[in-house]
Amino acid sequence: QVQLQESGPRLVKPSGTLSLTCAVSGGSISSDDWWSWVRRPPGKGLEWIGEIYHGGSTNYSPSLKSRVTISVDKSKNQFSLKLTSVTAADTAMYYCVNIHGALGSFDIWGQGTMVTVSS
Amino acid sequence: DIQMTQSPSSLSASVGDRVTITCRASQSISTYLNWYQQKPGRVPNLLIYAASSLQGGVPSRFSGSGSGTDFTLTIRNLQPEDFATYYCQQSYTTPRTFGQGTKLEIK
Repeated sequence: QVQLQESGPRLVKPSGTLSLTCAVSGGSISSDDWWSWVRRPPGKGLEWIGEIYHGGSTNYSPSLKSRVTISVDKSKNQFSLKLTSVTAADTAMYYCVNIHGALGSFDIWGQGTMVTVSS
Repeated sequence: DIQMTQSPSSLSASVGDRVTITCRASQSISTYLNWYQQKPGRVPNLLIYAASSLQGGVPSRFSGSGSGTDFTLTIRNLQPEDFATYYCQQSYTTPRTFGQGTKLEIK
Protein backbone atom coordinates (compact mmCIF):
# COMPACT_ATOMS: atom_id res chain seq x y z
CA GLN A 1 0.00 0.00 0.00
CA VAL A 2 1.42 3.35 -1.04
CA GLN A 3 2.10 5.80 1.78
CA LEU A 4 2.96 9.47 1.49
CA GLN A 5 4.82 11.70 3.93
CA GLU A 6 5.26 15.45 3.64
CA SER A 7 8.29 17.28 4.98
CA GLY A 8 9.56 20.83 4.95
CA PRO A 9 9.62 24.08 6.93
CA ARG A 10 6.45 24.86 8.86
CA LEU A 11 7.11 28.60 9.00
CA VAL A 12 7.86 30.75 5.97
CA LYS A 13 8.40 34.50 5.89
CA PRO A 14 6.19 36.70 3.69
CA SER A 15 7.60 37.09 0.17
CA GLY A 16 9.65 33.94 0.72
CA THR A 17 9.39 30.51 -0.92
CA LEU A 18 7.44 27.60 0.51
CA SER A 19 9.17 24.29 -0.20
CA LEU A 20 7.73 20.89 0.62
CA THR A 21 8.73 17.36 -0.31
CA CYS A 22 6.56 14.25 -0.39
CA ALA A 23 8.25 10.89 0.10
CA VAL A 24 6.51 7.94 -1.54
CA SER A 25 6.84 4.53 0.10
CA GLY A 26 5.26 1.17 -0.62
CA GLY A 27 5.12 1.88 -4.33
CA SER A 28 6.90 3.53 -7.23
CA ILE A 29 6.51 7.13 -8.26
CA SER A 30 6.92 5.81 -11.81
CA SER A 31 3.52 4.11 -11.66
CA ASP A 32 0.72 5.18 -13.99
CA ASP A 33 -0.61 7.75 -11.54
CA TRP A 34 -0.39 11.48 -11.00
CA TRP A 35 1.14 13.01 -7.89
CA SER A 36 -0.49 16.11 -6.53
CA TRP A 37 -0.54 18.84 -3.91
CA VAL A 38 -3.75 20.02 -2.25
CA ARG A 39 -4.13 22.60 0.49
CA ARG A 40 -6.77 23.65 2.98
CA PRO A 41 -6.51 27.14 4.47
CA PRO A 42 -7.90 27.49 8.00
CA GLY A 43 -11.68 27.68 7.93
CA LYS A 44 -11.85 27.12 4.18
CA GLY A 45 -12.25 24.23 1.77
CA LEU A 46 -9.89 22.07 -0.23
CA GLU A 47 -7.88 23.67 -3.03
CA TRP A 48 -6.02 21.74 -5.70
CA ILE A 49 -2.57 23.24 -6.34
CA GLY A 50 -1.19 21.09 -9.11
CA GLU A 51 0.13 17.69 -10.15
CA ILE A 52 2.97 15.90 -11.88
CA TYR A 53 3.42 12.66 -13.79
CA HIS A 54 6.66 10.72 -13.40
CA GLY A 55 7.65 11.69 -16.93
CA GLY A 56 7.63 15.31 -15.84
CA SER A 57 4.32 16.53 -17.28
CA THR A 58 2.64 19.01 -14.97
CA ASN A 59 -0.72 20.71 -14.53
CA TYR A 60 -1.24 23.69 -12.24
CA SER A 61 -4.11 25.65 -10.78
CA PRO A 62 -4.57 28.78 -12.92
CA SER A 63 -4.75 30.95 -9.81
CA LEU A 64 -1.35 29.74 -8.59
CA LYS A 65 0.40 28.88 -11.85
CA SER A 66 2.69 31.91 -11.87
CA ARG A 67 4.10 30.99 -8.45
CA VAL A 68 4.09 27.16 -8.39
CA THR A 69 6.59 24.55 -9.48
CA ILE A 70 6.11 20.83 -8.89
CA SER A 71 9.00 18.51 -9.64
CA VAL A 72 9.75 14.81 -9.33
CA ASP A 73 12.89 12.96 -8.27
CA LYS A 74 12.54 9.38 -9.42
CA SER A 75 15.85 8.33 -7.86
CA LYS A 76 14.53 9.28 -4.43
CA ASN A 77 10.92 8.27 -5.14
CA GLN A 78 9.64 11.66 -4.12
CA PHE A 79 8.09 14.82 -5.52
CA SER A 80 8.25 18.41 -4.39
CA LEU A 81 6.34 21.67 -4.28
CA LYS A 82 7.74 25.18 -4.49
CA LEU A 83 5.48 28.20 -4.04
CA THR A 84 7.12 31.59 -4.39
CA SER A 85 6.21 35.08 -3.15
CA VAL A 86 4.05 33.72 -0.35
CA THR A 87 1.65 35.80 1.70
CA ALA A 88 -0.54 35.10 4.71
CA ALA A 89 -3.16 33.80 2.28
CA ASP A 90 -0.88 30.83 1.60
CA THR A 91 -1.09 29.71 5.23
CA ALA A 92 -2.72 26.28 5.06
CA MET A 93 -2.52 22.57 5.70
CA TYR A 94 -0.67 21.15 2.70
CA TYR A 95 -1.31 17.57 1.59
CA CYS A 96 0.49 15.46 -0.97
CA VAL A 97 -1.86 13.12 -2.77
CA ASN A 98 -1.76 10.16 -5.14
CA ILE A 99 -4.26 10.51 -7.98
CA HIS A 100 -5.58 7.37 -9.65
CA GLY A 101 -4.26 7.50 -13.21
CA ALA A 102 -7.48 6.45 -14.92
CA LEU A 103 -10.20 7.74 -12.60
CA GLY A 104 -8.63 10.96 -11.40
CA SER A 105 -9.75 10.26 -7.85
CA PHE A 106 -7.56 11.42 -4.99
CA ASP A 107 -6.95 7.97 -3.59
CA ILE A 108 -4.13 8.26 -1.08
CA TRP A 109 -3.31 11.29 1.05
CA GLY A 110 -0.31 12.17 3.16
CA GLN A 111 -0.94 13.19 6.76
CA GLY A 112 -0.53 16.83 5.84
CA THR A 113 1.76 19.54 7.12
CA MET A 114 0.64 22.90 8.44
CA VAL A 115 2.58 25.78 6.89
CA THR A 116 2.27 29.25 8.35
CA VAL A 117 3.38 32.39 6.54
CA SER A 118 4.44 34.94 9.11
CA SER A 119 7.34 37.20 9.93
CA ASP B 1 -12.48 25.97 -15.36
CA ILE B 2 -15.32 23.71 -14.23
CA GLN B 3 -17.04 25.11 -11.16
CA MET B 4 -18.46 22.69 -8.61
CA THR B 5 -21.32 23.92 -6.42
CA GLN B 6 -22.48 21.94 -3.42
CA SER B 7 -25.71 22.38 -1.52
CA PRO B 8 -26.42 22.84 1.22
CA SER B 9 -23.28 24.42 2.72
CA SER B 10 -24.27 23.06 6.11
CA LEU B 11 -26.78 20.56 7.33
CA SER B 12 -28.05 19.44 10.73
CA ALA B 13 -29.31 15.91 11.16
CA SER B 14 -29.82 13.26 13.81
CA VAL B 15 -28.37 9.79 14.24
CA GLY B 16 -30.45 7.41 12.15
CA ASP B 17 -31.50 10.04 9.60
CA ARG B 18 -31.08 9.86 5.85
CA VAL B 19 -29.35 12.87 4.28
CA THR B 20 -28.63 13.94 0.73
CA ILE B 21 -25.93 16.34 -0.44
CA THR B 22 -26.04 17.73 -3.95
CA CYS B 23 -23.17 18.71 -6.24
CA ARG B 24 -23.64 20.55 -9.53
CA ALA B 25 -20.97 21.01 -12.19
CA SER B 26 -20.87 24.08 -14.42
CA GLN B 27 -20.60 21.79 -17.47
CA SER B 28 -21.05 18.13 -18.18
CA ILE B 29 -18.44 15.90 -16.54
CA SER B 30 -20.02 12.53 -17.40
CA THR B 31 -19.45 10.44 -14.27
CA TYR B 32 -16.03 11.86 -13.40
CA LEU B 33 -17.17 12.84 -9.92
CA ASN B 34 -15.73 11.83 -6.57
CA TRP B 35 -16.83 12.39 -2.97
CA TYR B 36 -14.61 12.82 0.09
CA GLN B 37 -15.21 12.97 3.82
CA GLN B 38 -13.02 15.04 6.11
CA LYS B 39 -13.31 14.96 9.87
CA PRO B 40 -11.75 17.71 12.03
CA GLY B 41 -8.00 17.24 12.29
CA ARG B 42 -8.06 14.28 9.93
CA VAL B 43 -7.02 13.64 6.35
CA PRO B 44 -9.70 13.68 3.62
CA ASN B 45 -10.93 10.20 2.78
CA LEU B 46 -12.25 9.03 -0.60
CA LEU B 47 -15.80 7.66 -0.24
CA ILE B 48 -17.19 7.42 -3.76
CA TYR B 49 -15.44 7.48 -7.15
CA ALA B 50 -16.84 7.63 -10.66
CA ALA B 51 -20.07 9.08 -9.25
CA SER B 52 -21.44 5.84 -7.80
CA SER B 53 -18.66 3.36 -7.01
CA LEU B 54 -17.99 2.77 -3.32
CA GLN B 55 -14.34 2.90 -2.32
CA GLY B 56 -13.13 -0.20 -0.52
CA GLY B 57 -13.74 -0.14 3.22
CA VAL B 58 -16.46 2.51 3.06
CA PRO B 59 -19.74 1.47 4.71
CA SER B 60 -22.61 0.63 2.37
CA ARG B 61 -24.84 3.30 3.96
CA PHE B 62 -22.96 5.74 1.68
CA SER B 63 -24.08 5.90 -1.93
CA GLY B 64 -23.63 8.22 -4.88
CA SER B 65 -25.55 8.85 -8.05
CA GLY B 66 -25.76 11.18 -11.01
CA SER B 67 -24.14 11.97 -14.33
CA GLY B 68 -23.62 14.98 -16.53
CA THR B 69 -23.94 17.99 -14.26
CA ASP B 70 -26.00 16.83 -11.26
CA PHE B 71 -24.83 14.45 -8.57
CA THR B 72 -25.90 13.37 -5.11
CA LEU B 73 -24.29 11.77 -2.09
CA THR B 74 -26.75 9.96 0.16
CA ILE B 75 -26.04 8.70 3.65
CA ARG B 76 -28.63 6.35 5.14
CA ASN B 77 -28.95 5.63 8.84
CA LEU B 78 -26.53 8.34 9.95
CA GLN B 79 -23.98 7.22 12.51
CA PRO B 80 -22.11 9.44 15.01
CA GLU B 81 -18.88 9.01 13.04
CA ASP B 82 -20.50 10.42 9.88
CA PHE B 83 -20.63 13.98 11.18
CA ALA B 84 -17.95 15.64 9.10
CA THR B 85 -17.42 17.85 6.06
CA TYR B 86 -18.07 16.37 2.63
CA TYR B 87 -16.55 17.51 -0.65
CA CYS B 88 -17.27 16.66 -4.25
CA GLN B 89 -14.48 16.85 -6.84
CA GLN B 90 -14.51 16.60 -10.62
CA SER B 91 -11.84 14.53 -12.35
CA TYR B 92 -13.06 15.18 -15.91
CA THR B 93 -10.34 17.69 -16.68
CA THR B 94 -7.72 19.95 -15.17
CA PRO B 95 -7.77 22.13 -13.25
CA ARG B 96 -9.22 19.59 -10.87
CA THR B 97 -11.83 21.38 -8.79
CA PHE B 98 -13.59 20.74 -5.50
CA GLY B 99 -16.96 21.87 -4.28
CA GLN B 100 -16.90 24.29 -1.37
CA GLY B 101 -17.86 21.59 1.11
CA THR B 102 -20.93 20.61 3.11
CA LYS B 103 -20.61 20.51 6.88
CA LEU B 104 -22.85 17.85 8.41
CA GLU B 105 -23.56 18.57 12.05
CA ILE B 106 -25.47 16.80 14.78
CA LYS B 107 -28.93 18.21 15.46
